[in-house]
Amino acid sequence: EVQLVESGGGLVQPGGSLRLSCAASGFTFSSYWMHWVRQAPGKGLVWVSRINSDGSSTSYADSVKGRFTISRDNAKNTLYLQMNSLRAEDTAVYYCARDRRGYGDLGYWGQGTLVTVSS
Amino acid sequence: QSALTQPASVSGSPGQSITISCTGTSSDVGGYNYVSWYQQHPGKAPKLMIYEVSNRPSGVSNRFSGSKSGNTASLTISGLQAEDEADYYCSSYTSSSTLPFGTGTKVTVL
Repeated sequence: EVQLVESGGGLVQPGGSLRLSCAASGFTFSSYWMHWVRQAPGKGLVWVSRINSDGSSTSYADSVKGRFTISRDNAKNTLYLQMNSLRAEDTAVYYCARDRRGYGDLGYWGQGTLVTVSS
Repeated sequence: QSALTQPASVSGSPGQSITISCTGTSSDVGGYNYVSWYQQHPGKAPKLMIYEVSNRPSGVSNRFSGSKSGNTASLTISGLQAEDEADYYCSSYTSSSTLPFGTGTKVTVL
């Protein structure tokens, strides 16, 4: 059974940093592109970032470019999102998701982890 | 990186059909057959309902269908049921390798 479990969320002050993790199991993690998607309270889904299967290619939404870094450790079956210079508008539930073929159809999602940026 | 445009809400009675539109540009929806649709119930993670414009993942009801014309993709739910009441989002691969989502549509079963 495919499982994606996010962790690392919490309360952080504006300007602070946080690293999210997404532990994958039940499939060959190193074969799949992965994404981070976020959802602010009461708002819609917003794509954040994606990484290809071997970690050599990444892409970011303009709103996080230069502040967030996506990475992966295929030996540990884990996806990461390093978030720096956090702002109030980054407050959201962050989901990791598996891309079926690399063209953005996200067939499996984690349960999400809440990040709150507030003083 | 603008969000794709969806109607804020669509409603229908049980048994009816409804259609949700998703409008983008030639750089995303119109340029690729990589449009996906997701269903999200309150407090839950999104669920993939349609991929590559019109394909259903295993286990998704055949009451859900997708199509595309030009820069607009559509999701049709036929034989509307109470359990279909949820938020629906489209997304599309883009020429810049990003993955914008739609603005979201709340489906209400009357």
